[in-house]
Amino acid sequence: GAVVSQHPSWVICKSGTSVKIECRSLDFQATTMFWYRQFPKQSLMLMATSNEGSKATYEQGVEKDKFLINHASLTLSTLTVTSAHPEDSSFYICSALRGGYGYTFGSGTRLTVV
Amino acid sequence: QKEVEQDPGPLSVPEGAIVSLNCTYSNSAFQYFMWYRQYSRKGPELLMYTYSSGNKEDGRFTAQVDKSSKYISLFIRDSQPSDSATYLCAALWNTGNQFYFGTGTSLTVIP
Repeated sequence: GAVVSQHPSWVICKSGTSVKIECRSLDFQATTMFWYRQFPKQSLMLMATSNEGSKATYEQGVEKDKFLINHASLTLSTLTVTSAHPEDSSFYICSALRGGYGYTFGSGTRLTVV
Repeated sequence: QKEVEQDPGPLSVPEGAIVSLNCTYSNSAFQYFMWYRQYSRKGPELLMYTYSSGNKEDGRFTAQVDKSSKYISLFIRDSQPSDSATYLCAALWNTGNQFYFGTGTSLTVIP
């Protein structure tokens, strides 16, 4: 299959601190991974496209300095929410594309900033 | 106009009913179409993945794409309480490109 592991699944942090979310492709190499954000009862909104070995491509309106993306290897992409604030509380989901399997999603990370 | 439109529901059906979930899309260049199921507090799980027009069947699930009318459907036969979830349709031009989600339809199957 095509498995994407996302960690942590749930995190609470204090306002002003940073949180790192990891996304790993377990049984395949992913040159491209995608990061989404989902608010309650709303669909997924693409935040950025993460490319291995190069800078991420951010969607309009997404702050690059606040949402740091690093795709250091073919199996790992990380999203760091810097100086988190309560309005950053959301469900963050990564996905990766594997040929023949389509897009596979991680299980998501629920971030709560207090 | 959104790229992919989906009725958010909610939709409630009795166990055993046939469920029809639908989306429309605006960009005729879309070639790949997907249906995802998302349980509460979980990431989306791929159900069906189709290319261009036609039908695709997998167990109790049938995905249908009509490119002439830009219409995407998912049918669930003999629905079960475990099918209760939010169903998201998605479309994209080509693999490796961004894809667009509908807002999701919340389905509840009542025992």
